[in-house]
Amino acid sequence: AQSVTQPDIHITVSEGASLELRCNYSYGATPYLFWYVQSPGQGLQLLLKYFSGDTLVQGIKGFEAEFKRSQSSFNLRKPSVHWSDAAEYFCAVAPRNSGGSNYKLTFGKGTLLTVNP
Amino acid sequence: NAGVTQTPKFRVLKTGQSMTLLCAQDMNHEYMYWYRQDPGMGLRLIHYSVGEGTTAKGEVPDGYNVSRLKKQNFLLGLESAAPSQTSVYFCASSPGTGYLNEQFFGPGTRLTVL
Repeated sequence: AQSVTQPDIHITVSEGASLELRCNYSYGATPYLFWYVQSPGQGLQLLLKYFSGDTLVQGIKGFEAEFKRSQSSFNLRKPSVHWSDAAEYFCAVAPRNSGGSNYKLTFGKGTLLTVNP
Repeated sequence: NAGVTQTPKFRVLKTGQSMTLLCAQDMNHEYMYWYRQDPGMGLRLIHYSVGEGTTAKGEVPDGYNVSRLKKQNFLLGLESAAPSQTSVYFCASSPGTGYLNEQFFGPGTRLTVL
């Protein structure tokens, strides 16, 4: 069965430091990949997505993610974190097949980011 | 565009009471979803709909019913609420599946069942 693993439950970084959030997936074939962000008390907002082509994907708010097929990973990065980036981040995958399950978005359990001033 | 809206934002129920959560989207999306979010569990799919008049079960459908009588609305019902249904409920919609499965989320409904 497909699964998404975010190994870090909680990460703390200082404002201005770089950030990398990890995401690994287990799938029969390379799925479509997404990163969402959830600010406190809010719904989820899409940061970026990977479908095909260039394995380095740029998103909103200065985030990027790199797809590595050999590692089944899709890690999220930001070179310099701002206090407003404090939120919970979710990695998600969707199957590529055209069969009956391609509606399904499978989410990781999230990584909570705390930003110290 | 309002995007995806949810009503109500907060609700407290007693065990055994019933209620309906309303989700509305103005993006003309075919697909709509109901999730619940619990601490440490991520988002779990309750029910979904692939179009007006259709509904299907997700991962955790027990205790919930849904209806999609109009394309823009997706209702989630709790017939007899239980404390285990205390959660934050999110509705989402998407234009399609696979690479079109960019889901847009509502702000959530925080439900407490006493």
